[in-house]
Amino acid sequence: QKEVEQNSGPLSVPEGAIASLNCTYSDRGSQSFFWYRQYSGKSPELIMFIYSNGDKEDGRFTAQLNKASQYVSLLIRDSQPSDSATYLCAVKDSYKLIFGSGTRLLVRP
Amino acid sequence: SAVISQKPSRDICQRGTSLTIQCQVDSQVTMMFWYRQQPGQSLTLIATANQGSEATYESGFVIDKFPISRPNLTFSTLTVSNMSPEDSSIYLCSVDSAGWGSNYGYTFGSGTRLTVV
Repeated sequence: QKEVEQNSGPLSVPEGAIASLNCTYSDRGSQSFFWYRQYSGKSPELIMFIYSNGDKEDGRFTAQLNKASQYVSLLIRDSQPSDSATYLCAVKDSYKLIFGSGTRLLVRP
Repeated sequence: SAVISQKPSRDICQRGTSLTIQCQVDSQVTMMFWYRQQPGQSLTLIATANQGSEATYESGFVIDKFPISRPNLTFSTLTVSNMSPEDSSIYLCSVDSAGWGSNYGYTFGSGTRLTVV
């Protein structure tokens, strides 16, 4: 069974700080990785995808992938209270996505 | 990306009854996915619906309990049959809006919050 692991949190950071969210996966052959944000009572929303080793930046978000160590992370710079949500890591297995349990992020004003 | 309309948005149902959830996409897509999110949990894939063929169910999910229809490339339904309180969850449909085999991630509908009493 392919697995995606995340720390459930909550991760609490002050406004303006960098939030670092981590995810590990079990299948060394995985190629595509995704970060979703889910506000309470809402459906998941795609933030970033990455499939090459290294960093990928989009605005305040940076996804980092290290295939040798089988982890992917999401950095949120200048965190805002509106970033408070659950962040889900997902790995593509053939044509479907396998999700981690999510990390709850709280950004304190 | 594709826009997905899912309904109903929520429902409260009696145990032993069935509920059919509809998912309409504004563009043609090869595969549609049905997920379940139990309270406080992550998303679990129930099945993948392809047009013109039977749905592919994940381990732990069976067609008799979760029958799926996929009559065309823009529409699918999921039925939750003979419901029990354990079926209380959010049910979400999802599509790969950039096309089959893309690396662009999937888009989700707004979800159906089901409570079984």
